[in-house]
Amino acid sequence: ETGVTQTPRHLVMGMTNKKSLKCEQHLGHNAMYWYKQSAKKPLELMFVYSLEERVENNSVPSRFSPECPNSSHLFLHLHTLQPEDSALYLCASSQEGGRSLYGYTFGSGTRLTVV
Amino acid sequence: DQQVKQNSPSLSVQEGRISILNCDYTNSMFDYFLWYKKYPAEGPTFLISISSIKDKNEDGRFTVFLNKSAKHLSLHIVPSQPGDSAVYFCAASLYNFNKFYFGSGTKLNVKP
Repeated sequence: ETGVTQTPRHLVMGMTNKKSLKCEQHLGHNAMYWYKQSAKKPLELMFVYSLEERVENNSVPSRFSPECPNSSHLFLHLHTLQPEDSALYLCASSQEGGRSLYGYTFGSGTRLTVV
Repeated sequence: DQQVKQNSPSLSVQEGRISILNCDYTNSMFDYFLWYKKYPAEGPTFLISISSIKDKNEDGRFTVFLNKSAKHLSLHIVPSQPGDSAVYFCAASLYNFNKFYFGSGTKLNVKP
């Protein structure tokens, strides 16, 4: 496989559930990102991992918990979410050490619905 | 504070005509700009970029214009095709930083 792969593609969960989103990149990149896309809003940067260390956490509620076990994998653990957390969650990767001329490489996203 | 803004959430254009998508930014230190294209059920993909040392970059039917004094960039698609129907995001970054700030997107519909 090539590129950035996200699973599952769709997820419906209750507010008391615990679930995890998975992202895997096969590009040899060393930085990975979680973004949230809500309707009519900019892409919201949630977390940044560089060389497997979290380097940015943009005031994201603690009900979202990221994990980066290695440079190829990124998880987003979800628990006790709210209906307003329903959105498209996008994973992206890039190569650190200067700017990438093509920006980030995004996965197809996980469409999350909280009921 | 939203540093990159796309004020038109949607745009509808007839096939064969020109599509113009606009993007404004507030940080004069941004020096590199991208446009991404996103189809439903897919992630955004890189479309075209422009550096602040240029005011125009062209790639086939796609041209991006940059007006630094107005802090404005635009994407022109000529001629528009139904396959161009997608959401277009603009993004901006600071010198030598690999962090991009995104707009909220414009949904383009090209009618046959």
